Amino acid sequence: GAVVSQHPSWVICKSGTSVKIECRSLDFQATTMFWYRQFPKQSLMLMATSNEGSKATYEQGVEKDKFLINHASLTLSTLTVTSAHPEDSSFYICSAQSGTGGFEQYFGPGTRLTVT
Amino acid sequence: GENVEQHPSTLSVQEGDSAVIKCTYSDSASNYFPWYKQELGKGPQLIIDIRSNVGEKKDQRIAVTLNKTAKHFSLHITETQPEDSAVYFCAASRADTGKLIFGQGTTLQVKP
Repeated sequence: GAVVSQHPSWVICKSGTSVKIECRSLDFQATTMFWYRQFPKQSLMLMATSNEGSKATYEQGVEKDKFLINHASLTLSTLTVTSAHPEDSSFYICSAQSGTGGFEQYFGPGTRLTVT
Repeated sequence: GENVEQHPSTLSVQEGDSAVIKCTYSDSASNYFPWYKQELGKGPQLIIDIRSNVGEKKDQRIAVTLNKTAKHFSLHITETQPEDSAVYFCAASRADTGKLIFGQGTTLQVKP
């Protein structure tokens, strides 16, 4: 149980284009999903928290107009990187937390984004 | 703001030895402390966690201890195996936000 998937697993895009990453909880309902980015050999940095049906809460320094997050259902959240630039190249990882009162967060396998 | 310090950054042990990774946290309201194992190119995998009302938890070769007074928690891996080699992250969170604050990570290498 507690499986989270991400799609795509890797993507290469040209500078100036937008990329959408999907995060799905496969066997549980996730009232809260989190989006992280991770640079090589570094820790995970929380970008935003999204609750189903409401606007995402972004961490300080994260541009909400650049990283659009939608949490339209209890099993799906999407992150869209708009007008991507090479500095947006990173490993993006989502996590999901069930609505049953548990603390546990289960992570997806990550999406490697390369902007050329 | 909230902060989690993790040590050591790298740890090399012989197969069969024990490994210990330590973390300290700054937010006294933190009440949930998970540990994650991350292999190269993959997402973090929850391996064990502990809540603030418990001092110790064990799952086969893995154990976690928590000292709330000192705001320390540690991961103990016994009888290490080469497949334990990975990056390990500690984290802390509080119930009202659910946000995980991660430590810097420890690269564990288990030599056969």
